[in-house]
Amino acid sequence: DAGVTQSPTHLIKTRGQQVTLRCSPKSGHDTVSWYQQALGQGPQFIFQYYEEEERQRGNFPDRFSGHQFPNYSSELNVNALLLGDSALYLCASSSPQGLAGGRSNEQFFGPGTRLTVL
Amino acid sequence: KQEVTQIPAALSVPEGENLVLNCSFTDSAIYNLQWFRQDPGKGLTSLLLIQSSQREQTSGRLNASLDKSSGRSTLYIAASQPGDSATYLCAPLGDYKLSFGAGTTVTVRA
Repeated sequence: DAGVTQSPTHLIKTRGQQVTLRCSPKSGHDTVSWYQQALGQGPQFIFQYYEEEERQRGNFPDRFSGHQFPNYSSELNVNALLLGDSALYLCASSSPQGLAGGRSNEQFFGPGTRLTVL
Repeated sequence: KQEVTQIPAALSVPEGENLVLNCSFTDSAIYNLQWFRQDPGKGLTSLLLIQSSQREQTSGRLNASLDKSSGRSTLYIAASQPGDSATYLCAPLGDYKLSFGAGTTVTVRA
């Protein structure tokens, strides 16, 4: 059973560029969330996609956008990169079944993409 | 906004000692709480999930308690091993999103 996969593993960009990160959810999962983890800090929620729509968004600027495809995989796009965008980007997937319309479901994380902005 | 605090920030113990990791959160309106392990530069591994209606959850040497009304959770690791060295993160689940503290970094000395 494949877990959550992310690509690429590492990425180096320069300020002002744009980047796209990819995530494939765990088999049987249809909900994908993205988190940003700066060095030495806990992950911060960026947004969640369900049924190809953004269902919830954290406190991140519009430079951060996403997409979910019919096969449930997802992309995170960041435009006009800043030095402060350097971080580990984590994708998590969960299943919609369960209590409270899926709100209480366990989330499983991928290995992350390390983005360095120079 | 959910604020999560983990104490202590770092912990170093000799092999065999029991570990106690504390987590507090400010908003008790949560659906569940997950404990994760993170090795340096890696993703998060889910250790335990406690639903908001539960008080305790156990998996092997791990035991987690939850007191939702007081906004506290504790992770106990029995008979620690060097392989337990990692950062441990607790994350209450609010409306679709997990909120994280900075974690507790554990070092188990052989």
